[in-house]
Amino acid sequence: AQKVTQAQTEISVVEKEDVTLDCVYETRDTTYYLFWYKQPPSGELVFLIRRNSFDEQNEISGRYSWNFQKSTSSFNFTITASQVVDSAVYFCALSEAGYSGGGADGLTFGKGTHLIIQP
Amino acid sequence: DAGVTQSPTHLIKTRGQHVTLRCSPISGHKSVSWYQQVLGQGPQFIFQYYEKEERGRGNFPDRFSARQFPNYSSELNVNALLLGDSALYLCASSLVQVRDQPQHFGDGTRLSIL
Repeated sequence: AQKVTQAQTEISVVEKEDVTLDCVYETRDTTYYLFWYKQPPSGELVFLIRRNSFDEQNEISGRYSWNFQKSTSSFNFTITASQVVDSAVYFCALSEAGYSGGGADGLTFGKGTHLIIQP
Repeated sequence: DAGVTQSPTHLIKTRGQHVTLRCSPISGHKSVSWYQQVLGQGPQFIFQYYEKEERGRGNFPDRFSARQFPNYSSELNVNALLLGDSALYLCASSLVQVRDQPQHFGDGTRLSIL
């Protein structure tokens, strides 16, 4: 069965520091998709990025970057020059086999990392 | 365009009661999924519906049921409520039933069981 582990429960940094959120996944499928979502205090999950298992190219979007390494089953997320508005809970999620967003098992989420950016 | 909308925002029930939560997907989205998020945990998959048919079910008891209507909106029903059902219930929609489609989430319904 699939599993997502986010070992960092909470991270606190001072504004403008760089921070990396770790995500390790387990799956038996050769084809799968990885996602990162941001959950601000309002509760809505905001989609950040999707990566498929055949594309290990790293991605950068503004201050955000993602490092996907199949060899270590990791999909880490780095925020450069963090800002107070980045404070939120961040979830890594896995989708494998079948239907939209994960098929019969839906998206499998990690427990999340609570990121606190102090001014 | 409006995002995923859920109602009600908050709900308080007592043990043994039943509850109905509602979700309207983004216009044009045909797939709706439901998730339960207990405080301090990641969301857990409950159901997925596509074209009004159940396409996936998570590890939840039969007290949980759902349906999707012709306009693609959806309801989640929970019977015989237990204290452990207290959680944030999230609805997500996506365009079609393709595994790589990102799901777009609503703000959720916060359900408290007394």
